Amino acid sequence: DTEVTQTPKHLVMGMTNKKSLKCEQHMGHRAMYWYKQKAKKPPELMFVYSYEKLSINESVPSRFSPECPNSSLLNLHLHALQPEDSALYLCASSQVGTGELDSPLHFGNGTRLTVT
Amino acid sequence: AQKITQTQPGMFVQEKEAVTLDCTYDTSDPSYGLFWYKQPSSGEMIFLIYQGSYDQQNATEGRYSLNFQKARKSANLVISASQLGDSAMYFCAMRGVNTGGFKTIFGAGTRLFVKA
Repeated sequence: DTEVTQTPKHLVMGMTNKKSLKCEQHMGHRAMYWYKQKAKKPPELMFVYSYEKLSINESVPSRFSPECPNSSLLNLHLHALQPEDSALYLCASSQVGTGELDSPLHFGNGTRLTVT
Repeated sequence: AQKITQTQPGMFVQEKEAVTLDCTYDTSDPSYGLFWYKQPSSGEMIFLIYQGSYDQQNATEGRYSLNFQKARKSANLVISASQLGDSAMYFCAMRGVNTGGFKTIFGAGTRLFVKA
């Protein structure tokens, strides 16, 4: 069983809809991540939160809005998406710090998003 | 800049045999970590094994071992006694100290097929 849970598992939304992806971890990790993965491609980093503060935004379009309400939760708010945004969205967590290079990413099962 | 190269898009292996998945990397970071992840068709990314750049010994985790050759900048994954459940996508990944330890970059992946 994964210790990082994502909801929903599947999401279909229209281009004018507003929806949110949710991620929860109870591993005590203080870094949380959003990745986007297109079919047959590696995951691409979108956002990183460290101690509930946004540390990295990989030039993601503003139609994606991350939020970290507390150390266990991570949300991704979606608005006015395009069909090319259809992908698997993966949440991950890890320990924090430049010293923790050996801390692997722990991923959730992902949300398969389809934008129509 | 960091780069991970996986040159084998697909690999076939007979059940119970060993298989090596290739990974080469390029980085200017003085310290870095190398990871292998497995992604079954269900979508979840599963951490398999870690190798630190200063580790003298090759990492091993059960049936997984990492053949680390620092001078050649290679970090090949060896899976012994392949099982049908090993059929999946495998990603080599790297995290470096110069990117604050938060940015994990992934190779393109290798699809492994285990034949009965």
